[in-house]
Amino acid sequence: DVKVTQSSRYLVKRTGEKVFLECVQDMDHENMFWYRQDPGLGLRLIYFSYDVKMKEKGDIPEGYSVSREKKERFSLILESASTNQTSMYLCASSFPQTGSSYNEQFFGPGTRLTVL
Amino acid sequence: GDSVTQMEGPVTLSEEAFLTINCTYTATGYPSLFWYVQYPGEGLQLLLKATKADDKGSNKGFEATYRKETTSFHLEKGSVQVSDSAVYFCALGGKYGNKLVFGAGTILRVKS
Repeated sequence: DVKVTQSSRYLVKRTGEKVFLECVQDMDHENMFWYRQDPGLGLRLIYFSYDVKMKEKGDIPEGYSVSREKKERFSLILESASTNQTSMYLCASSFPQTGSSYNEQFFGPGTRLTVL
Repeated sequence: GDSVTQMEGPVTLSEEAFLTINCTYTATGYPSLFWYVQYPGEGLQLLLKATKADDKGSNKGFEATYRKETTSFHLEKGSVQVSDSAVYFCALGGKYGNKLVFGAGTILRVKS
């Protein structure tokens, strides 16, 4: 059974704090993703990684950075949290695309972050 | 760029009613199409998918057919249950590395 775990379900931080969100997967997936989920906007991709130490910006990378030192772990970092980063953050992982066949992304339960 | 448009919710139905959630997309080429479901307090999980035109994805009584001519992938179920209450996301497979583009999501509420 594929498992994607996230370090916290709920997190409350203050404006200006540095925030770390951790994600771990146990399926040896090469690809890992960070999304934020907001009502009416669906999921928006922040960053993704297709290999250790590799990363690419998604659609909304501003204010975020990521780290992937080990294959199973992908961290999202908010260098200086702001109130507009209050959101639900979802991590996902998958095997790479093979030819024209897209592989399923497996999601963690999410971290609801509130920045005061 | 690629985009997905879903019908706005919430959709409220009585148990055993017929469900349709509309999804249309804009994309270059021939994307793969997905429906993901998010139950309360959980992450998303794949419900069904279709990888080419006229393919029908199905799972747990839900179905969706990839219609290239109308660029649509509508989700249907003949008889919904209270346990189907969730948020449903339509998504398409982007061009590179399994990136997905998601719709805004549709909340489904089923009353007993």
